[in-house]
Amino acid sequence: EVQLVESGGDLIQPGRSLRLSCTASGFTFGDYALNWFRQAPGKGLEWVGVIRGKAYGGATEYAASVKGRFTISRDDSKSIAYLQMNSLKTEDTAVYYCARRNVWNYFYYYMDIWGKGTTVTVSS
Amino acid sequence: DIQMTQSPPSLSTSVGDRVTITCRASQSIRTYLNWYQQKPGKAPDLLIYGASNLQSGVPSRFSGSGSGTDFTLTISSLQPEDSATYYCQQSSSKPLTFGGGTKVEIK
Repeated sequence: EVQLVESGGDLIQPGRSLRLSCTASGFTFGDYALNWFRQAPGKGLEWVGVIRGKAYGGATEYAASVKGRFTISRDDSKSIAYLQMNSLKTEDTAVYYCARRNVWNYFYYYMDIWGKGTTVTVSS
Repeated sequence: DIQMTQSPPSLSTSVGDRVTITCRASQSIRTYLNWYQQKPGKAPDLLIYGASNLQSGVPSRFSGSGSGTDFTLTISSLQPEDSATYYCQQSSSKPLTFGGGTKVEIK
């Protein structure tokens, strides 16, 4: 079965760091880009960042709200992607989802597989 | 950044009704537009990609149309299991952005 499973969510104090994991199974992980999204309580979906597959050297991009604080990495040998979150703020409180990016007709990108999410609560 | 605006924010309608949700982009995104369904406490599920392509396994009562700045998601005959929030998302440029969502409730 093709699936993604996030882990690592926790209650954590502002200013601290946390690392989330996204473990893949059922597909060749290294062939795909992996996006992270988040959803604050009662709010909509927000893109956090992306890490591309091995064909693109694992390049990353980030939303402005997390750039410089969050880092995405991947270990293709373990089929795991990571979201390292530093200098956490209360506004980072959200459910964090990882999602596989698929492509159609070379340029049409979409997220076809999502994990169930992991909850991060930033509070003193 | 490309802003995505959905309307209406919510709607309440009956089983069997036709439902139309609109999504407008702040600039042209050609057909780089995806639709997702999200049920409470669950992750989003892909419904439509490339504005009008139905994801495998999605019921044919769902359809998408549009190009440029104006897009539509249609549910031809609403079913009880369609109660959810629907989001559009543009993949034309980074940052990826979503509409604010449309909550569909069954009367």
